[in-house]
Amino acid sequence: GAGVSQSPSNKVTEKGKDVELRCDPISGHTALYWYRQSLGQGLEFLIYFQGNSAPDKSGLPSDRFSAERTGGSVSTLTIQRTQQEDSAVYLCASSSGGSYNEQFFGPGTRLTVL
Amino acid sequence: AQSVTQPDIHITVSEGASLELRCNYSYGATPYLFWYVQSPGQGLQLLLKYFSGDTLVQGIKGFEAEFKRSQSSFNLRKPSVHWSDAAEYFCAVEARGSTLGRLYFGRGTQLTVWP
Repeated sequence: GAGVSQSPSNKVTEKGKDVELRCDPISGHTALYWYRQSLGQGLEFLIYFQGNSAPDKSGLPSDRFSAERTGGSVSTLTIQRTQQEDSAVYLCASSSGGSYNEQFFGPGTRLTVL
Repeated sequence: AQSVTQPDIHITVSEGASLELRCNYSYGATPYLFWYVQSPGQGLQLLLKYFSGDTLVQGIKGFEAEFKRSQSSFNLRKPSVHWSDAAEYFCAVEARGSTLGRLYFGRGTQLTVWP
């Protein structure tokens, strides 16, 4: 595919359950970002991967959130023991890395925690 | 701390009318500046970006933005809006000199276009 893909597109879960969100970046892009878009809150940076470097996790809101990137490509964002305030659209973006490079965004995963 | 303010949550314009979406940033030094658009159910798409040089930047879909250092602003403009421009628009900044490319976004402006 030519663009960033995310799955699932929608996820409904019960409070306390764990969820995994997947991101397939554009082939060859070394940088991968996760953002969270909450109603009326804009986009909030969560985590950043660049090549084989240690990820920048400074945006993760709690230790219930974690992410990994396998083989420098696919990334999974995991939320453990989901809470209602985790309900949001989770966006993934990739770029060729570094600063001032265009980030290409996926369509997002809408997470609803009941 | 970096902050991006989009003072208008929702703007409504008639098709064919001109448009200006406001963006102000707070940062120690002039950051890199971006405008993204998000159509319903879609990811964000880059409209334009500013690095340096000419303060009037041209983007895709007929959009332009003007950087004004004295006002810490980067307002987005379009001379004549089309119905297909209805979407949510986000201003974003990136720390100049950062190796991370991390973006700080405003809360967005929702644009409605009347026929």
